Amino acid sequence: NAGVMQNPRHLVRRRGQEARLRCSPMKGHSHVYWYRQLPEEGLKFMVYLQKENIIDESGMPKERFSAEFPKEGPSILRIQQVVRGDSAAYFCASSAETEAFFGQGTRLTVV
Amino acid sequence: AQSVTQPDIHITVSEGASLELRCNYSYGATPYLFWYVQSPGQGLQLLLKYFSGDTLVQGIKGFEAEFKRSQSSFNLRKPSVHWSDAAEYFCAVGDFNAGNMLTFGGGTRLMVKP
Repeated sequence: NAGVMQNPRHLVRRRGQEARLRCSPMKGHSHVYWYRQLPEEGLKFMVYLQKENIIDESGMPKERFSAEFPKEGPSILRIQQVVRGDSAAYFCASSAETEAFFGQGTRLTVV
Repeated sequence: AQSVTQPDIHITVSEGASLELRCNYSYGATPYLFWYVQSPGQGLQLLLKYFSGDTLVQGIKGFEAEFKRSQSSFNLRKPSVHWSDAAEYFCAVGDFNAGNMLTFGGGTRLMVKP
């Protein structure tokens, strides 16, 4: 059973470009969470999704950020018109019941 | 809303010495508590978790943690630290009324002296 798979592991974007981060949850997991880790900080919750539904997006910036978890395929975190302040590590986690398993993260660098 | 505080940003211990990393939480109900470890450039690995029952929880890699409701604490301990334990450690509280959302502390970076 593969773990939570995130790709790409590293992503470099110029200011104004779009970033797409993908997350494939563990087999059998229907809950997906995205967290952001800014340099030298802890992880901050962004969004919680189940298949085809956004359950809680209270941690998502109101503009430029969106997330989806379609019926088929991975969950996508999309950042439009990236700015330098979006540079961070973005972690996805999935769970079935009470324990969340984390992916290796995508490290986004905006230049 | 829940919150987690890790008072120590950096801790340095000598190899073979004992370790205690502090974690205090604020949560309205019975908390679900976790400790994760993150090596540089890596994701998070679960060390141990507390849901209910015995307040002393054993985890992987020789770590343990004790839940103390009266102190709102969940400190992580290890009797003898190894150089490979150098990493960042995160305490988290889970809110299962909101799915499985985790609130993390700011982390404690552990350095191990030879």
